[in-house]
Amino acid sequence: EAGVAQSPRYKIIEKRQSVAFWCNPISGHATLYWYQQILGQGPKLLIQFQNNGVVDDSQLPKDRFSAERLKGVDSTLKIQPAKLEDSAVYLCASNLWSGANVLTFGAGSRLTVL
Amino acid sequence: AQKITQTQPGMFVQEKEAVTLDCTYDTSDPSYGLFWYKQPSSGEMIFLIYQGSYDQQNATEGRYSLNFQKARKSANLVISASQLGDSAMYFCAMREGPSYDKVIFGPGTSLSVIP
Repeated sequence: EAGVAQSPRYKIIEKRQSVAFWCNPISGHATLYWYQQILGQGPKLLIQFQNNGVVDDSQLPKDRFSAERLKGVDSTLKIQPAKLEDSAVYLCASNLWSGANVLTFGAGSRLTVL
Repeated sequence: AQKITQTQPGMFVQEKEAVTLDCTYDTSDPSYGLFWYKQPSSGEMIFLIYQGSYDQQNATEGRYSLNFQKARKSANLVISASQLGDSAMYFCAMREGPSYDKVIFGPGTSLSVIP
């Protein structure tokens, strides 16, 4: 089966600019997660979707970050305006249902904010 | 509050030796799951092993085993017969509740295998 697809792999922007990341989960996976991983740290959950509904977005900085999962398939994470501290790898993961035993991750999108 | 603790920021192990990576967790939910992931320098997150809170036996997957001590709230990863390719970051993660609950990760342990 195809894995979790993410794009772009790398993005460099200046502060106050905007950026969008795309994720296509494994076909049939109902649960989708976006994580932010700052260099040297563990992944931090930003938002979790169950189909096209948000289950948890308690750690999403809603003044600048937004995410959507239209039609319960692929998802987009947007940052506007970006800050220097947003430099990180943005990881998308999915699983068949939220109680399943394995999260499958994409390769990640590395953001550098100058 | 930090729910996953990995107290070893860095570990070294001789090739072919066994190594234990520590993980403690905090939850009041009786139903939860524990994961270990490996992240090599390439950045991909590779699933290694899973333990459910109600599982009677410790999980094993090839050279990986999970030493689950429920009363101590610890879920240590044991890697037997270390290989050079095991050099990577290792993350412990937890999902609380049986469903619709988030998966949170610990800070990670960097493992270096010495030839």
